[in-house]
Amino acid sequence: QKEVEQNSGPLSVPEGAIASLNCTYSDRGSQSFFWYRQYSGKSPELIMSIYSNGDKEDGRFTAQLNKASQYVSLLIRDSQPSDSATYLCAVNPNNDMRFGAGTRLTVKP
Amino acid sequence: SAVISQKPSRDICQRGTSLTIQCQVDSQVTMMFWYRQQPGQSLTLIATANQGSEATYESGFVIDKFPISRPNLTFSTLTVSNMSPEDSSIYLCSVDLARSTDTQYFGPGTRLTVL
Repeated sequence: QKEVEQNSGPLSVPEGAIASLNCTYSDRGSQSFFWYRQYSGKSPELIMSIYSNGDKEDGRFTAQLNKASQYVSLLIRDSQPSDSATYLCAVNPNNDMRFGAGTRLTVKP
Repeated sequence: SAVISQKPSRDICQRGTSLTIQCQVDSQVTMMFWYRQQPGQSLTLIATANQGSEATYESGFVIDKFPISRPNLTFSTLTVSNMSPEDSSIYLCSVDLARSTDTQYFGPGTRLTVL
């Protein structure tokens, strides 16, 4: 079982829709969770971090964490073509970050 | 966040040679990390660069192949030694600005092609 699993996609949504990105992790002791956005040819950029169960909102982005289910998600509201990128889920169980394979998101105008 | 720079941004190298990649941060940081991202793949941690001590390598990566230096709290180097085409990848450094948050920020990366 991979430590961090994501659907590779591609996920395609129309402009203005909600994009939902999902991630599961295997280390039940993990306490820190992150979403990074990576444009083609660029390095990962931190979007959100979440540490507690529930929702955390930042602008159009909402991260959701459920430690009992070992599940973390990212919702992007009012998706824009500029949101088209690969989204990486990362989990940091022991100060050694583990990344999922990423989900490629395409937002169509 | 912090300003993180890497040199070179890209290079094309011959098989059997070595390349040293530099990572510079504009503030002192405790933790610096080196990752590899092969084409179409996610990030794989190579090692944690510790200031004042030897780097800590992940399974599958060894010091002879990827020697790392960390002479101070703002700078680190990764050397890719005796390169083969399989080493063609993007190499990224990242920093953890404050241990309590364990959040990592990435440099722009070095795109390496080995012929």
